[in-house]
Amino acid sequence: DIQMTQSPSSLSASVGDRVTITCRASQSISRYLDWYQQKPGKAPNLLIYATSTLQRGVPSRFSGSGSGTDFTLTISSLQPEDFATYYCQQSYSSPLTFGGGTKVEIK
Amino acid sequence: QLQLQESGPGLVKPSETLSLTCTVSGGSISSSNYYWGWIRQSPGKGLEWMGTVSYSGSTYYNPSLKSRLTISVDTSKNHFSLKVDSLTAADTAVYFCARSRSSWLNWFDPWGQGTLVTVSS
Repeated sequence: DIQMTQSPSSLSASVGDRVTITCRASQSISRYLDWYQQKPGKAPNLLIYATSTLQRGVPSRFSGSGSGTDFTLTISSLQPEDFATYYCQQSYSSPLTFGGGTKVEIK
Repeated sequence: QLQLQESGPGLVKPSETLSLTCTVSGGSISSSNYYWGWIRQSPGKGLEWMGTVSYSGSTYYNPSLKSRLTISVDTSKNHFSLKVDSLTAADTAVYFCARSRSSWLNWFDPWGQGTLVTVSS
């Protein structure tokens, strides 16, 4: 199985901050990397697929980059509604696997 | 707008079988362009992909769960189902259904709201 490791596991930030979350795969997954946002009591919501393609309706302050084993999710200017937990997922090979999550909290 | 809704028991006894259904509304489950998956989330194991089914009934399972899983699709009812055998406390989780596009090896969107299943006697 491909292991997905996110860092940090949590972070504190202020509104307006630039936030970067990292996801590392245990082997190369090309660009088959997706990002989700999850708020408490809700299902994950797709933000970005195939490393850098924004899902329809997702604000442009979200962006993704990377390839191979190292990927990043960047929020250019954190907004109050962005405080949530973020997960990466590899869709390169079976079984599909997710990172452990990064919780973004209010500073 | 496509919506998915999980349904099933919230409490199941150890060693029993869990049966969940995901009802799809606002679209047809029969499209050849889509696949239908189950993902669960527990505090201990995070998000775990369980398996995916195509509209035609082809199935793709997580090898770690394959021996205990059955996923099926009923196009006449526009829903798909999950069965998990031989439950233990480790199967306690929130179970989500979701759609993936074009391939079973893909991202999931949208997701159902999730249903909490507790395995306890």
